[in-house]
Amino acid sequence: KQEVTQIPAALSVPEGENLVLNCSFTDSAIYNLQWFRQDPGKGLTSLLLIQSSQREQTSGRLNASLDKSSGRSTLYIAASQPGDSATYLCAVGPNDYKLSFGAGTTVTVRA
Amino acid sequence: DGGITQSPKYLFRKEGQNVTLSCEQNLNHDAMYWYRQDPGQGLRLIYYSQIVNDFQKGDIAEGYSVSREKKESFPLTVTSAQKNPTAFYLCASSPRGLPFNQPQHFGDGTRLSIL
Repeated sequence: KQEVTQIPAALSVPEGENLVLNCSFTDSAIYNLQWFRQDPGKGLTSLLLIQSSQREQTSGRLNASLDKSSGRSTLYIAASQPGDSATYLCAVGPNDYKLSFGAGTTVTVRA
Repeated sequence: DGGITQSPKYLFRKEGQNVTLSCEQNLNHDAMYWYRQDPGQGLRLIYYSQIVNDFQKGDIAEGYSVSREKKESFPLTVTSAQKNPTAFYLCASSPRGLPFNQPQHFGDGTRLSIL
């Protein structure tokens, strides 16, 4: 059974610092890896999706890397802003409809 | 404006009562999903449907039921058999077919509590 772990569970940084969020998974037979953002009391918003054949994906200040062999992904957020404060979740699956989610990392960016 | 609408935002269940959570999407997506989120845990899949009139159990289907009579709608019933229903419930949808590798889109959730 796929297990997805996100460490740390919470992170607090001053504005302007780069954020590094980690995700590890136990089964490397994945279809893709997705990073989501969740604001308090809200649903999830897709940030980046990395196909299993890709090594990284970029969108604006966000960059996500994928190392299938070691079962790891890292989400980098450059020059953090208070608006980046949220919970970030990663998810993997053997296909595109049965995802396994990590518990998330809650980020606070201090102004 | 395309999206997923979940209602109600808050729901309270009495002992022995069944309650139904609504999920409607106007994204023309074939696949729809129901997840449960508990504090400090990742989302867990309850049921999913890849096409109208068909649905499959996820990892924690016991005590829940669904129907998929229309493409736009995927209601979830939390039955009295679900002994610990207090959680945040999220509905999602995604397209099927080309292009593959499309992310799931989520609604804003329903928070269910026991009275």
